[in-house]
Amino acid sequence: DSGVTQTPKHLITATGQRVTLRCSPRSGDLSVYWYQQSLDQGLQFLIQYYNGEERAKGNILERFSAQQFPDLHSELNLSSLELGDSALYFCASSVTGRTATNEKLFFGSGTQLSVL
Amino acid sequence: AQKITQTQPGMFVQEKEAVTLDCTYDTSDPSYGLFWYKQPSSGEMIFLIYQGSYDQQNATEGRYSLNFQKARKSANLVISASQLGDSAMYFCAMREGSGTGFQKLVFGTGTRLLVSP
Repeated sequence: DSGVTQTPKHLITATGQRVTLRCSPRSGDLSVYWYQQSLDQGLQFLIQYYNGEERAKGNILERFSAQQFPDLHSELNLSSLELGDSALYFCASSVTGRTATNEKLFFGSGTQLSVL
Repeated sequence: AQKITQTQPGMFVQEKEAVTLDCTYDTSDPSYGLFWYKQPSSGEMIFLIYQGSYDQQNATEGRYSLNFQKARKSANLVISASQLGDSAMYFCAMREGSGTGFQKLVFGTGTRLLVSP
């Protein structure tokens, strides 16, 4: 158990809908990351938050947004969903999120999103 | 440009044998870190081992070791005495360290390992 909690584990929805994925980081970790894993794109970095503030953006669509709350949990909001958004969405956390090369990411078990 | 290359889509090994999963990387940054993660069929990503670019010795964690060849830019994962529970996807990842600001962890495409009895 990595200590990172993601809910829900599975989500099935229709095109055009909006969903919210939730992540609680490991106790003491200040940074939260969101990754998308799909068969054709592999593991893609979406966005990082550090202590409530957005730190970095990756390949995140404008239809997607995220935030990190004062209690450090994070939510990823996906709207106007398309079939291609079906993927496994991971949340990860780390202690600081600084550039230190050895800072490990601890991953949650992911939310499997299916858009029908 | 692809920064992390895993050329083996799939590997087979018999239980109790050793197996090497290949990973090559591309960077001009002298400071970087290399990671291996395991993803079993249940889906979670499990950290296995880390190697820093300035580390003098190859990293080891139990049955996992990293064959780090800096000049060849390779960081192969060696699993000794394979077990059935080692069947999973294995991802190599890299973070560069010298730039200012955030440096993301970049993943390879993975290698699926199947361990047979």
